[in-house]
Amino acid sequence: NAGVTQTPKFQVLKTGQSMTLQCAQDMNHEYMSWYRQDPGMGLRLIHYSVGAGITDQGEVPNGYNVSRSTTEDFPLRLLSAAPSQTSVYFCASSPSWDSGNTIYFGEGSWLTVV
Amino acid sequence: AQTVTQSQPEMSVQEAETVTLSCTYDTSESNYYLFWYKQPPSRQMILVIRQEAYKQQNATENRFSVNFQKAAKSFSLKISDSQLGDTAMYFCAFKSMDSNYQLIWGAGTKLIIKP
Repeated sequence: NAGVTQTPKFQVLKTGQSMTLQCAQDMNHEYMSWYRQDPGMGLRLIHYSVGAGITDQGEVPNGYNVSRSTTEDFPLRLLSAAPSQTSVYFCASSPSWDSGNTIYFGEGSWLTVV
Repeated sequence: AQTVTQSQPEMSVQEAETVTLSCTYDTSESNYYLFWYKQPPSRQMILVIRQEAYKQQNATENRFSVNFQKAAKSFSLKISDSQLGDTAMYFCAFKSMDSNYQLIWGAGTKLIIKP
């Protein structure tokens, strides 16, 4: 069972560089999302998607883009990396938009912007 | 706006003891879900237990149980017979039934189980 797979697990970027964090799930989940986790804080929602072709902003969307061309994949793009984007990023999915469904998380991607 | 508060930044207990982690939340809604997630040193977020607000019965999962007090907006997690593998960060999270699919997270409690 692969579940939610994120790549890369670790990345160091220079300020101004762009990159894409990949996320894939093999559970045919409709709902996918990206969170960031900073020290001493809970997770904060960046972007989410309720199905292929549909995305929306979360709590902290600035500096990030997403797309959802397939049910399986939900990449997160950093357009011009800034030190404030140094964080741990989690991709998550759940079976449907129903808010009671359990959310499954990937293993996290550690991003450092220098 | 909903908020979730975990007032204990860190706790430690001896192996086999029982420990209770506190969580309070603020909402004006009557229908919602509450979750406890565990984040071990590997960093992966693992669901421990969930509670539907419309259910009066407290959820249980093996050694894990909750004390859900809806009127007091309290959702504590009790871990019985604690084990070394329970060492982790524990996060409380709130999800409205009418939300934009967003989980509102507490800041977490670091739980250390000592041998």
